[in-house]
Amino acid sequence: EIVMTQFPGTVSVSPGERATLSCRASQRISSNLAWYQQKPGQPPRLLIYGASNRATGIPARFSGGGSGAEYTLTISSLQSEDFAVYYCQQYDDWLWTFGQGTKVEMK
Amino acid sequence: QVQLQESGPGLVKPSETLSLTCTVSGGSISYYYWSWIRQSPGKGLEWIGYIYYSGSTNYNPSLKSRVTISVDTSKNQFSLKLSSLTAADTAVYYCARLEWLNYYYAMDVWGQGTTVTVSS
Repeated sequence: EIVMTQFPGTVSVSPGERATLSCRASQRISSNLAWYQQKPGQPPRLLIYGASNRATGIPARFSGGGSGAEYTLTISSLQSEDFAVYYCQQYDDWLWTFGQGTKVEMK
Repeated sequence: QVQLQESGPGLVKPSETLSLTCTVSGGSISYYYWSWIRQSPGKGLEWIGYIYYSGSTNYNPSLKSRVTISVDTSKNQFSLKLSSLTAADTAVYYCARLEWLNYYYAMDVWGQGTTVTVSS
């Protein structure tokens, strides 16, 4: 099973600032990597798929990057609605695993 | 647009079997993969398994011995059965659609989730 490790666990950011979240896989995952945003009491929402492709309706301030086993999600200028928990997810050989999440909180 | 709705009991007893159903509306269940995911209180997300509309399945190895996912295309529904429940199975259970997006799969539509508590 591929283990996904996200860091930091929590990041404190002021509105308008940039936030960079990281996700490391226990082995190469060939960009089979998605990012989700989850707010309290809501299901996750797909932000990024294929490591760097924004899902439909996702603002351009969200961008994904990386390759091999190292991936990042960058929020270029945090808006109030962006404070949430973010999860990375990979699939390999038709098995899916999630990272433990990074909480983006207001500084 | 496609919407998903989970349904099932909110409280089940230890050692019993949980049965949940996900109803797909606004679109067809055909030609897609459908997945179950759960989230324990205060914890992260855990993938349980998926089913293709034709009935082929794959499960999380850690749950495989207790999980069965089935599909009923005539009702536009798919279902989850999880047996031998313990308190550790207490969680919010989500259903989601696996969509093929530019050569990658991702879970693009989610249900609102249903809370399941395992307690006597």
